[in-house]
Amino acid sequence: DAKTTQPPSMDCAEGRAANLPCNHSTISGNEYVYWYRQIHSQGPQYIIHGLKNNETNEMASLIITEDRKSSTLILPHATLRDTAVYYCIVRGSGAGSYQLTFGKGTKLSVIP
Amino acid sequence: KAGVTQTPRYLIKTRGQQVTLSCSPISGHRSVSWYQQTPGQGLQFLFEYFSETQRNKGNFPGRFSGRQFSNSRSEMNVSTLELGDSALYLCASSPSAGRWSYEQYFGPGTRLTVT
Repeated sequence: DAKTTQPPSMDCAEGRAANLPCNHSTISGNEYVYWYRQIHSQGPQYIIHGLKNNETNEMASLIITEDRKSSTLILPHATLRDTAVYYCIVRGSGAGSYQLTFGKGTKLSVIP
Repeated sequence: KAGVTQTPRYLIKTRGQQVTLSCSPISGHRSVSWYQQTPGQGLQFLFEYFSETQRNKGNFPGRFSGRQFSNSRSEMNVSTLELGDSALYLCASSPSAGRWSYEQYFGPGTRLTVT
């Protein structure tokens, strides 16, 4: 069972920041939050992951709340090519938990 | 550095046949995982291999099997194909296994159609 809750869809204007929320209220101390995205019919693309500190890379920023029960993926300047399904995944905790368990994700539509 | 490659990209098979899909991980990556993606079930984990050993397995029937070679390349096999096996099969590689701090990088997938 997916351990995360995401809105099914979101719209974002091109050039604006896209903020994608994720709720993971049952996350445990050693579990990481991962974000992937999948553009139609392609393989999922790794974006970013974190444990408890905020993280930033060339693609996005990940903001994790202090209690770690939710996080937000930020795409600072969304482009049309960012239109995709975004998956928030909690990973870890115990043997056999190394695989990625995908939920339904958020379908982000970037609008011109 | 080249990404994960999967062959073939598209495949059409008939019910009852078997199929073998191939995956070459990113150079230096030793862990390979396989996933199945269908419109109804989404992305589901099949199995993970590391150092030629299956380390983790999802909830799929025994018709689904895999193996990993000494160069980390991996194959998965599906025997006695069923219509429901039509899916996008994705391979992902990771530097190591058994560590949830490592990201996985996915290939483009093999689109299998069973008729």
